[in-house]
Amino acid sequence: QSALTQPPSVSGSPGQSVTISCTGTSSDIGIYDRVSWYQQPPGTAPKLIIYEVTNRPSGVPRRFSGSKSGNTASLTISGLQTEDEAYYYCTSFTSSITLVFGGGTKLTVL
Amino acid sequence: QLRLQESGPGLVKPSETLSLTCAVTGGSIRTSHYFWAWIRQPPGKGLEWIASLHHSTTSHHNPSLKSRVTISLDTSKNQVSLKLTSVTAADTAVYFCARQPGEGGWFFDYWGQGTLVTVSS
Repeated sequence: QSALTQPPSVSGSPGQSVTISCTGTSSDIGIYDRVSWYQQPPGTAPKLIIYEVTNRPSGVPRRFSGSKSGNTASLTISGLQTEDEAYYYCTSFTSSITLVFGGGTKLTVL
Repeated sequence: QLRLQESGPGLVKPSETLSLTCAVTGGSIRTSHYFWAWIRQPPGKGLEWIASLHHSTTSHHNPSLKSRVTISLDTSKNQVSLKLTSVTAADTAVYFCARQPGEGGWFFDYWGQGTLVTVSS
């Protein structure tokens, strides 16, 4: 199974918005609303921030939002804060009844 | 509060078997809704799903690792175990255990802190 495609890095200034894309295929993102996103500051375990494309777990700020169009899912972080600096990973369920991760995106808050 | 804690040898020799356990506290692994999973992350690289298991014995595996992976539950100890055979340097990684909310919930809402396993002679 091939990894989902994410940009290696994105950046933004405090208060701005950034969007991280996650591109899959018609065998994963394109046909299932089972996309999730994780935030991972260096040296820590990943933290779930979005599940099933648009849902936020309890305690995750509303600044984090998810969407999907065709084979591409997106994570948008509005009102960037310095503590948002981390790696972000997307995942999707696949038609092979497996789960695939994206390669990860490093978010830098300038 | 649910907590997951991985443990195992930090160093494994090539061709040997990697064995890890994940102790779960604050909840039972026999709860019907949940799968229990292993995910790994090579140093400086991204995440890779290894396998997921339900106490009913339903399991799902990453095809690239399936022939070498055994995942099991010890309900008496409330632990999840992972065995990976015939390891090579490519299996050097931080290994995480995580909870997966049910057959339809393909995401991980609780994670352990991870344990680093190095494969080297």
